[in-house]
Amino acid sequence: DIQMTQSPSSLSASVGDRVTITCRASQTISKDLNWYQQKPGKAPKLLIYAASSLQSGVPSRFSGSGSGTDFTLTISSLQPEDFATYYCQHSYTTPYAFGQGTKLEIK
Amino acid sequence: EVQLVQSGAEVKKPGESLRISCKGSGYSFTSSWITWVRQMPGKGLEWMGRIDPSDSYTNYSPSFQGHVIISADKSTRTAYLQWSSLKASDTAMYYCARHGDSWVGTFDIWGQGTMVTVSS
Repeated sequence: DIQMTQSPSSLSASVGDRVTITCRASQTISKDLNWYQQKPGKAPKLLIYAASSLQSGVPSRFSGSGSGTDFTLTISSLQPEDFATYYCQHSYTTPYAFGQGTKLEIK
Repeated sequence: EVQLVQSGAEVKKPGESLRISCKGSGYSFTSSWITWVRQMPGKGLEWMGRIDPSDSYTNYSPSFQGHVIISADKSTRTAYLQWSSLKASDTAMYYCARHGDSWVGTFDIWGQGTMVTVSS
């Protein structure tokens, strides 16, 4: 099975900062990598699919890149509503798997 | 509006059985897989398995195979997750999610979650 590892596990940043979260797969997954945002008490929300495609309605300050085993999620200028936990997820083959999450907190 | 609506919170005792539901609306229910995801208290997301509502074909994560059953009734547009004998370690929030059209294995619509508490 493919394992996903995110780094860092937590991150403190300020409004307006540029933030990057990394996700690594245990084997190549082409571009089959998705990113989700989860706020406390809420269901996850799809942000990015196929490594770099922005889901409809998601602000353009979110972007994704990578292929193979290494991927990144970048938020270009943090807004107050962006403080949440972010998960990567591979969809290369079943069983699908999520990373352990990155909690983005206000500095 | 495309949505998935899940059944309400459950409190059960160890050894009891349970079935929770996820009803789809606003789209062709048989055109998209449904996935189930577990989130234990304070923890991350875990993919449990998926079902094709058109023919009820399922895939399970090895971690959950044999512990839960995923099913669907296309006539009522509802997917189900069931346990025959609950354990305290099944205490978690359970989400259903629709597989989107844009890319395989992408979950674009999520239910609101069903909290399952198993305690003696």
